[in-house]
Amino acid sequence: DSGVTQTPKHLITATGQRVTLRCSPRSGDLSVYWYQQSLDQGLQFLIQYYNGEERAKGNILERFSAQQFPDLHSELNLSSLELGDSALYFCASSVRQGASGAPLDGELFFGEGSRLTVL
Amino acid sequence: GQNIDQPTEMTATEGAIVQINCTYQTSGFNGLFWYQQHAGEAPTFLSYNVLDGLEEKGRFSSFLSRSKGYSYLLLKELQMKDSASYLCAVSPFYGGSQGNLIFGKGTKLSVKP
Repeated sequence: DSGVTQTPKHLITATGQRVTLRCSPRSGDLSVYWYQQSLDQGLQFLIQYYNGEERAKGNILERFSAQQFPDLHSELNLSSLELGDSALYFCASSVRQGASGAPLDGELFFGEGSRLTVL
Repeated sequence: GQNIDQPTEMTATEGAIVQINCTYQTSGFNGLFWYQQHAGEAPTFLSYNVLDGLEEKGRFSSFLSRSKGYSYLLLKELQMKDSASYLCAVSPFYGGSQGNLIFGKGTKLSVKP
């Protein structure tokens, strides 16, 4: 158990719909990262939040958005869903943070993921 | 561009040693990481290299050559539970954070009795 909690574990929805994935980081971790894992692309970095603020963006589509709340939990919102959005979405948090919010040794703790199926 | 290459699959025998190679080309470099991922589970951190050389951690070791854009993960005394995918990942320099990783597609290791 990494200490990172993600809900829901499984989600099935239709094209065009909108879903929200939720993540609670490890106690004390200020950074939250969202990753997407699909069979053909592997794990891809989407976005990072640190203490409520967006810190870095990766390959995140404009249809996707995220936020981190004062209690440090984060939500990833996926809208106008397409078949190709079917994937495993992981949230991760850092083991330690330096002053800039950077993990001091790059060790990420991943949640168990939310498996999204778009039909 | 950003590119990380590693073999798709490998097979090894219980008790043996296996080396999983990774080559990378990224716009920046802020560390190389290896993660283990069992089927249907979350990735878990194995090792981290930022300087050239070998880092040893029990049965697992990881090597880095920055000039060659090359790393390997060495697994000794293989056990059946080592059957998993091994993900090579590089941290490019995105605003100082190491957690924004570029992952390879992973090497699926099968350990046979």
